[in-house]
Amino acid sequence: SQTIHQWPATLVQPVGSPLSLECTVEGTSNPNLYWYRQAAGRGLQLLFYSVGIGQISSEVPQNLSASRPQDRQFILSSKKLLLSDSGFYLCAWSGTSGGFYNEQFFGPGTRLTVL
Amino acid sequence: AQTVTQSQPEMSVQEAETVTLSCTYDTSENNYYLFWYKQPPSRQMILVIRQEAYKQQNATENRFSVNFQKAAKSFSLKISDSQLGDTAMYFCAFMIVGTASKLTFGTGTRLQVTL
Repeated sequence: SQTIHQWPATLVQPVGSPLSLECTVEGTSNPNLYWYRQAAGRGLQLLFYSVGIGQISSEVPQNLSASRPQDRQFILSSKKLLLSDSGFYLCAWSGTSGGFYNEQFFGPGTRLTVL
Repeated sequence: AQTVTQSQPEMSVQEAETVTLSCTYDTSENNYYLFWYKQPPSRQMILVIRQEAYKQQNATENRFSVNFQKAAKSFSLKISDSQLGDTAMYFCAFMIVGTASKLTFGTGTRLQVTL
């Protein structure tokens, strides 16, 4: 069966510090991968998605970047955190079976607080 | 661009009663999917129900059903026989076929089930 992991679960960082959040998927190959952010009282906003190693698409301009160094690894980074980067970050994956629909499966999330 | 609107930030329902959560969306696409996701206090995103836009029949999953009105671009969720475990944030989401399974979410409705 497939599983998705995220770490850390919780992170408190000072403004201006770097960030690295990691997401890994097990039990599948060549998944689509996604990073979402959920700000307090708001819905999920898609930040990045990837359809393959080294292929990253950005959905919104921001202070963050993403990388996919391996097939089932997706990393969210920042060189200098801003207060507005605080939120709950969710990683998700979907299959690429070629049909019309591939369900997204979500990780447990990382709660980031920037002080 | 696609938008998803959930106009009810919070709702409350008594146990065993029925509640309906509203969702409207805007798109010029004709081939898409609509979803309701549940996010309990654990913050794990759980898919509740899915509707294909090309299907006229409303989707049902046990106590959960939808009222899909394509012309009106409306997609409401009905929860019957509400249970305490239904207490959660509920997000309406939208996916265009052939776009790497990217999801666009509404801002959510917080549902509280009371005794």
